Amino acid sequence: EPEVTQTPSHQVTQMGQEVILRCVPISNHLYFYWYRQILGQKVEFLVSFYNNEISEKSEIFDDQFSVERPDGSNFTLKIRSTKLEDSAMYFCASSRDRSFNYGYTFGSGTRLTVV
Amino acid sequence: DQQVKQNSPSLSVQEGRISILNCDYTNSMFDYFLWYKKYPAEGPTFLISISSIKDKNEDGRFTVFLNKSAKHLSLHIVPSQPGDSAVYFCAALISNFGNEKLTFGTGTRLTIIP
Repeated sequence: EPEVTQTPSHQVTQMGQEVILRCVPISNHLYFYWYRQILGQKVEFLVSFYNNEISEKSEIFDDQFSVERPDGSNFTLKIRSTKLEDSAMYFCASSRDRSFNYGYTFGSGTRLTVV
Repeated sequence: DQQVKQNSPSLSVQEGRISILNCDYTNSMFDYFLWYKKYPAEGPTFLISISSIKDKNEDGRFTVFLNKSAKHLSLHIVPSQPGDSAVYFCAALISNFGNEKLTFGTGTRLTIIP
């Protein structure tokens, strides 16, 4: 069964450093998303991406965050200057259409720890 | 701002019996609802969805019921199996063009007792 692949599985970074979280969505999917889950809290929407541009973003997704689909297969989330409160599991997801009958396929996540 | 609530943080059910997971929402604009299952160290896995124009959707052992007037939905798993032990998330969205944000509940940890 096709999967959404995320790398790395765990990233530790110093506060103020830049991190790039990588995702390979399912190949025939057209819609891409990033979500995050702070430990003990609910899964929260960050951003959606379609047709090479952001289609929606949450209030969490401020100027420190950016997304890119650099080569037609990877989908990346960059955090320019990490803060302690950015520590969370970050999930990438993709979907092939907007019928929602199939839900979104999530990756296994990247655990980001900011120290 | 808890627009989607799962008031039971945990639930234990005997193997073979019915598991009923509940979810309430406050935003009447939500028109699509999804259930996800999550194992530790994995991402959420889609289980079943329902549009607000329906009141029931069934897929194998999983049935989702929607009561729009009560702003309540539930997931029924029959019969429950040990592999169903996981955290279950209810999620909702407003499916107008350009709005694809899923709003998740806090999850219910289901434990199936053999």
